[in-house]
Amino acid sequence: GENVEQHPSTLSVQEGDSAVIKCTYSDSASNYFPWYKQELGKRPQLIIDIRSNVGEKKDQRIAVTLNKTAKHFSLHITETQPEDSAVYFCAASIRTGNQFYFGTGTSLTVIP
Amino acid sequence: GAGVSQSPSNKVTEKGKDVELRCDPISGHTALYWYRQSLGQGLEFLIYFQGNSAPDKSGLPSDRFSAERTGGSVSTLTIQRTQQEDSAVYLCASSLTGGWSTGELFFGEGSRLTVL
Repeated sequence: GENVEQHPSTLSVQEGDSAVIKCTYSDSASNYFPWYKQELGKRPQLIIDIRSNVGEKKDQRIAVTLNKTAKHFSLHITETQPEDSAVYFCAASIRTGNQFYFGTGTSLTVIP
Repeated sequence: GAGVSQSPSNKVTEKGKDVELRCDPISGHTALYWYRQSLGQGLEFLIYFQGNSAPDKSGLPSDRFSAERTGGSVSTLTIQRTQQEDSAVYLCASSLTGGWSTGELFFGEGSRLTVL
């Protein structure tokens, strides 16, 4: 089955700096890669996603890149703000499967 | 309702007791997922329901765990003879469609289970 690895597990940045979280996946059949943000004590919520037919997608201060050949995708947050502090999860979904395979999460702390 | 609703929000039980956790998905969502999140850990897939198809139970950790979805809507996750390692937050999510074309997963706020 699919195996999603996520790094780093924790990340601290100064406010205004950029943050990058990286994920790798094992199954070349995976086609859909969402990112979820989980604030402390709250439910995970989708912040951005990318499908295998594109290499990059941006939404204001966040962007996701996908390298299908290398089987990795990354989340980029620019001009970080304290409210970006949360746990971020990447996931991969296989074309013919029903599961979303999640990474183990990255705890991001933005220091004011 | 406006979102995915889960109950109870908190459950404390004694080792060996059975527990039932309920999930009420967003109306019209055909896909329903259960995940387990242990302290500081990621989201562990448990089970997936899609419409009237047979559920994907491949993530259930043991035969003490079972789930059903009645009428394609409300789902109940049952844990029999609970063990301390079952302590976790159990998250339910629903989405409009299943398969690779699935879009956003909408999560509930979770049921926090503590087994003493």
